[in-house]
Amino acid sequence: EVQLLEFGGGLEQPGGSLRLSCVASGLTFASFAMNWVRQAPGKGLEWVSVISGSGGRKWYADSVKGRFTISRDNSKNTVYLQMNSLGPEDTAVYYCAKGMREFSLDGWFDPWGQGTLVTVSS
Amino acid sequence: QSVLTQPPSVSGAPGQRVTISCTGSSSNIGANYDVHWYQQLPGTAPKLVIYANNNRPSGVPDRFSGSKSGTSASLAITGLQAEDEADYYCQSYDSSLSGSVFGGGTKLTVL
Repeated sequence: EVQLLEFGGGLEQPGGSLRLSCVASGLTFASFAMNWVRQAPGKGLEWVSVISGSGGRKWYADSVKGRFTISRDNSKNTVYLQMNSLGPEDTAVYYCAKGMREFSLDGWFDPWGQGTLVTVSS
Repeated sequence: QSVLTQPPSVSGAPGQRVTISCTGSSSNIGANYDVHWYQQLPGTAPKLVIYANNNRPSGVPDRFSGSKSGTSASLAITGLQAEDEADYYCQSYDSSLSGSVFGGGTKLTVL
């Protein structure tokens, strides 16, 4: 069974930085793209970023482009999301989710981690 | 304003059939990109219930089905049960945005 576990959320001031981690188990990690999806309190889902299995291809939503960086360490079965220049609009639960193949922009996400809450506030 | 449009809420009595629509445009669903559906129970992470328009993952009851036509897609749930009460989201790819997009979500209430 594939399991994903996110870490690193917390309270950060506007303009600050946070790094989220997502550790995966139960899969050949390097064979699958990994995504980050966020959900603001009481709101819907918003796709944030995807990284290919090899780490060579990365895509971002316009709302985070230039501020967030996705990366992965396949030796540790871990994907990261470095978040800089945080603003109140980044307050959300951040989920990592496995893609359906090595790289895909139009595939489905399954499974999802339990999420980690990021709160940006002074 | 979400790229994919869903009704904010739907409801039905136990045993009934409900459908949830997901309306897109020529840059996403209408461009023949697949639609996927997720169920989010209160306080939990989303769970995939339909992938690639009309396919059910292992373990999802056959009461759940999906369809797609033109610029729209639908999720149907038959034999409604109390445990189906949740938020449902559609997802596709948008070529104008070069990324995945979600609908705004639909809250299903079982009366």
